[in-house]
Amino acid sequence: QKEVEQDPGPLSVPEGAIVSLNCTYSNSAFQYFMWYRQYSRKGPELLMYTYSSGNKEDGRFTAQVDKSSKYISLFIRDSQPSDSATYLCAMSAHNNDMRFGAGTRLTVKP
Amino acid sequence: KAGVTQTPRYLIKTRGQQVTLSCSPISGHRSVSWYQQTPGQGLQFLFEYFSETQRNKGNFPGRFSGRQFSNSRSEMNVSTLELGDSALYLCASSLVSQLAKNIQYFGAGTRLSVL
Repeated sequence: QKEVEQDPGPLSVPEGAIVSLNCTYSNSAFQYFMWYRQYSRKGPELLMYTYSSGNKEDGRFTAQVDKSSKYISLFIRDSQPSDSATYLCAMSAHNNDMRFGAGTRLTVKP
Repeated sequence: KAGVTQTPRYLIKTRGQQVTLSCSPISGHRSVSWYQQTPGQGLQFLFEYFSETQRNKGNFPGRFSGRQFSNSRSEMNVSTLELGDSALYLCASSLVSQLAKNIQYFGAGTRLSVL
């Protein structure tokens, strides 16, 4: 079993839809949770960062962490074609050794 | 503030050759990590350097090596290239403050093709 599981998709939604992206993990030591967005042929770009449990909102993006269920989510409201990318979840414990999900490829159709 | 800079952006090599990739971190960042990204395996951690010392290492063969200079710039070397080394190699830098140390900022990557 991988430490971080993420459905690779692909996921296709119409413009304006609410998108839900999820990851599960097995290591209870993970404290830092991140979401990265990666456009084709580019490096990952940090989108959201959460420490421990709870919710964090930034514009159209909301990140949720449920440590009791070992489950994290990223919600995108009013999705736009420019949101089309691969979304990677990442997490780490107190050292700097991060673990990434496989990434979910999202397409938002106009 | 300039981001993480990786050079070159693209490389084509043949089997058996060696290659050196370069990474300049964000100014003030002291930790540099390297990752290999392939469609099949996703992002895999290679190693991390901090203050010119390798602090952490992933599960890759000894053909993959790296180093960090006093100005925090880092290089990664792959010797005796194999076809399976074709991938996007990403460098990420981070601060070493208590809360921020686990936030990594990535460069655009070097795409290596081994023929």
